[in-house]
Amino acid sequence: GDSVTQMEGPVTLSEEAFLTINCTYTATGYPSLFWYVQYPGEGLQLLLKATKADDKGSNKGFEATYRKETTSFHLEKGSVQVSDSAVYFCALSGGGNKLTFGTGTQLKVEL
Amino acid sequence: GAGVSQTPSNKVTEKGKYVELRCDPISGHTALYWYRQSLGQGPEFLIYFQGTGAADDSGLPNDRFFAVRPEGSVSTLKIQRTERGDSAVYLCASSSGQGVEAFFGQGTRLTVV
Repeated sequence: GDSVTQMEGPVTLSEEAFLTINCTYTATGYPSLFWYVQYPGEGLQLLLKATKADDKGSNKGFEATYRKETTSFHLEKGSVQVSDSAVYFCALSGGGNKLTFGTGTQLKVEL
Repeated sequence: GAGVSQTPSNKVTEKGKYVELRCDPISGHTALYWYRQSLGQGPEFLIYFQGTGAADDSGLPNDRFFAVRPEGSVSTLKIQRTERGDSAVYLCASSSGQGVEAFFGQGTRLTVV
């Protein structure tokens, strides 16, 4: 079945550091890929998505590229801020309507 | 409403009791989803409604779990004979159609003691 593996947290960075959160997936066919974010006390929000190979999703300075050859969708940001502190979830949709999520990676950004 | 609303936000119940969790989707959204998130885990799919019908209930863990959406808007997740292992955050999401962004509610934290 479909599955998503993402790096364990917590990830602790200083403000303005470069961020990478790794995500790999297993799926049949050609899934759509997503990154969701959960800020403290809030619900899950879609951060970005990519629907086909080599697509790059981007939002709020975050980027992720759909790499079919390595089955990966790593999240990156060039300069993190304290306000980026949250839990980040990688997810896929394999053609049906349900999302399969990874376990989440907590990001803590310190001054 | 402006977003997906879930009530109650917290529910504590005794083992063996029956509980109902409510989800009010965004107005006009035809698709509605239930997920369950255990501590330290990502959300796990339970059931998906398109309109009034359950289009995919493959994620329901057993027959103690049931969900309805009688008028194609509000949905209720029902859990019978609750067990301590049912303790989790139950998330609801809605979307305007297939393949379109789903918006999540803040969840109901269920604790079975």
